[in-house]
Amino acid sequence: GAVVSQHPSWVICKSGTSVKIECRSLDFQATTMFWYRQFPKQSLMLMATSNEGSKATYEQGVEKDKFLINHASLTLSTLTVTSAHPEDSSFYICSASERKSWEQYFGPGTRLTVT
Amino acid sequence: GQQVMQIPQYQHVQEGEDFTTYCNSSTTLSNIQWYKQRPGGHPVFLIQLVKSGEVKKQKRLTFQFGEAKKNSSLHITATQTTDVGTYFCAGPTYNAGNNRKLIWGLGTSLAVNP
Repeated sequence: GAVVSQHPSWVICKSGTSVKIECRSLDFQATTMFWYRQFPKQSLMLMATSNEGSKATYEQGVEKDKFLINHASLTLSTLTVTSAHPEDSSFYICSASERKSWEQYFGPGTRLTVT
Repeated sequence: GQQVMQIPQYQHVQEGEDFTTYCNSSTTLSNIQWYKQRPGGHPVFLIQLVKSGEVKKQKRLTFQFGEAKKNSSLHITATQTTDVGTYFCAGPTYNAGNNRKLIWGLGTSLAVNP
């Protein structure tokens, strides 16, 4: 149980374009979803937290107009990187929690390369 | 602000040796969690500790939560090459919208020489 999928697993895009990443909880209801960014050999950097049907809460320093997050249902959240630049290249990972639970279950991640 | 510190950052061991990583929080925690991330993979939830002084075992892995609920450790007995990866501890907190989130340690990367 507690499986989270993420799509695509990797994507290459040109500078200035937008990229959408999907995160789905396959066998549980994810009342809260999290989006992280991870640089090589570094820890997880939380970008934002989203609850189903409400606006995402962004961490300090994360541009909400650049990283658009939508949590439309209890099983789906999306992250759209708008007007991507090479410095946005990174490993983006989503995770999901059930209601009243602190445990997070992670998707396999998306490696974004902006050329 | 609230911080979770983890040491060591890296550890190389010979297969069969023991390994321990330590986690310290700047504040008292209601619980602490441990995750493992294999190279090229994503974090996988290992365990959650809730009670003061709690000790839990998973095969060769022993997890402890300090009496003051501010520190924790993960000990692996007789490491194997399958233990390779980065081990993260994480403590609970709330974001500006009063939603749950985790504060993450920087992780301890374990390398095991066969």
